[in-house]
Amino acid sequence: DIQMTQSPSTVSASVGDRVTISCRASQSISTWLAWYQQKPGKAPKLLIYKASSLKSGVPSRFSGSGSGTEFTLTISSLQPDDFATYYCQQYYSDLVYTFGQGTKLEIK
Amino acid sequence: QVQLQESGPGLVRPSQSLSLTCTVSGGSVSDPGYYWSWIRQPAGRELEWLGRIYASGSTKYNPSLKSRLTISLDTSKNQFSLNLSSVTAVDTAIYYCVRDQPAIFGDYFDYWGQGTLVTVSS
Repeated sequence: DIQMTQSPSTVSASVGDRVTISCRASQSISTWLAWYQQKPGKAPKLLIYKASSLKSGVPSRFSGSGSGTEFTLTISSLQPDDFATYYCQQYYSDLVYTFGQGTKLEIK
Repeated sequence: QVQLQESGPGLVRPSQSLSLTCTVSGGSVSDPGYYWSWIRQPAGRELEWLGRIYASGSTKYNPSLKSRLTISLDTSKNQFSLNLSSVTAVDTAIYYCVRDQPAIFGDYFDYWGQGTLVTVSS
């Protein structure tokens, strides 16, 4: 299986801050990566697919970048609604799709 | 707007089978443009993709569960189902049904059910 490792596990930030979350794949996955946001007690929501394509309706303060094994999710100016846990997911391997362990974004 | 809703028992005894159904509205499980998957999340843990089914009935399973997992389709009810046999406590999790958006190699997941907690306990 392709292993996905996110860092940091937890990040503390304030409203208005710029935040970056990293995701590393154990082998190259080109740009076959998605990002999800999950709030407590809720299902994950798709934010970004193909590493940098924003899902329709997702605020433009969210952006994704990277290719190969290194990827980044950036929130340009944190809003109160953004405090949540974020997961990356690779879909390069059709054998099994795998997720990162998650990054919790907390209020500082 | 596609909506998915899981249903099934919240408590399953060890060694028994776990069965869940996902009812789809605003879309069709017969739509050839999508796959339909099950994903689970143990408390405080990461997400685990379990398997998927296509409109034709063809399936793909996570190799770690392949021997215990069956996913099926009921087009007349616009539903798909999961059956996981011989469950143990490690199968305790929130189970989500999701719609797959196919890409060239694999899928990402664009619509999710709200999730249902299944506890395996005697």
